[in-house]
Amino acid sequence: KNEVEQSPQNLTAQEGEFITINCSYSVGISALHWLQQHPGGGIVSLFMLSSGKKKHGRLIATINIQEKHSSLHITASHPRDSAVYICAVSNFGNEKLTFGTGTRLTIIP
Amino acid sequence: KAGVTQTPRYLIKTRGQQVTLSCSPISGHRSVSWYQQTPGQGLQFLFEYFSETQRNKGNFPGRFSGRQFSNSRSEMNVSTLELGDSALYLCASRPGTSTTPRETQYFGPGTRLLVL
Repeated sequence: KNEVEQSPQNLTAQEGEFITINCSYSVGISALHWLQQHPGGGIVSLFMLSSGKKKHGRLIATINIQEKHSSLHITASHPRDSAVYICAVSNFGNEKLTFGTGTRLTIIP
Repeated sequence: KAGVTQTPRYLIKTRGQQVTLSCSPISGHRSVSWYQQTPGQGLQFLFEYFSETQRNKGNFPGRFSGRQFSNSRSEMNVSTLELGDSALYLCASRPGTSTTPRETQYFGPGTRLLVL
């Protein structure tokens, strides 16, 4: 079993829909990261959180430490949100990141 | 501030050769981490350097090595290349403040290595 599991693996939605991507982890963590990777490879860090909820524009990330679960939500989705979204956790004591396999999101106009 | 830069962006090598990739972190960042991304294994941590010292290492063979210079620039080297080393190699930097272990990482554009 991987330390970090994401679901779904692929998600296709219509423009304007509310999107939810889930991440579960099995180890103790110091922080959870949500990353966005566009075609071509560049990775952008969207959120780093260790508790509660963070919001940036149309993106919201939540984490439940007790349940070892995090969600990334996108409101009013847009075709430019099409990308691979990757969940990663950093372990206590060091900043080594362990990654989920990613969720490929496609937003259709 | 300029972002993280990586050179070269694309590279083609043959089996048995060695390769050196370079990463220049954001000015003022002291920590540089390297990652390998392949279709089969996804993103995997290679190693992290902080103040010229390797601080963490992933589960990769000794053919993968790295170093960091006094200006925080980092290089990684892969010797005796294998076909399976074909991948996107990403580096990421962060401030590395010792009292703030949880920091956002800033990724470079990556070097795409193809081994023939």
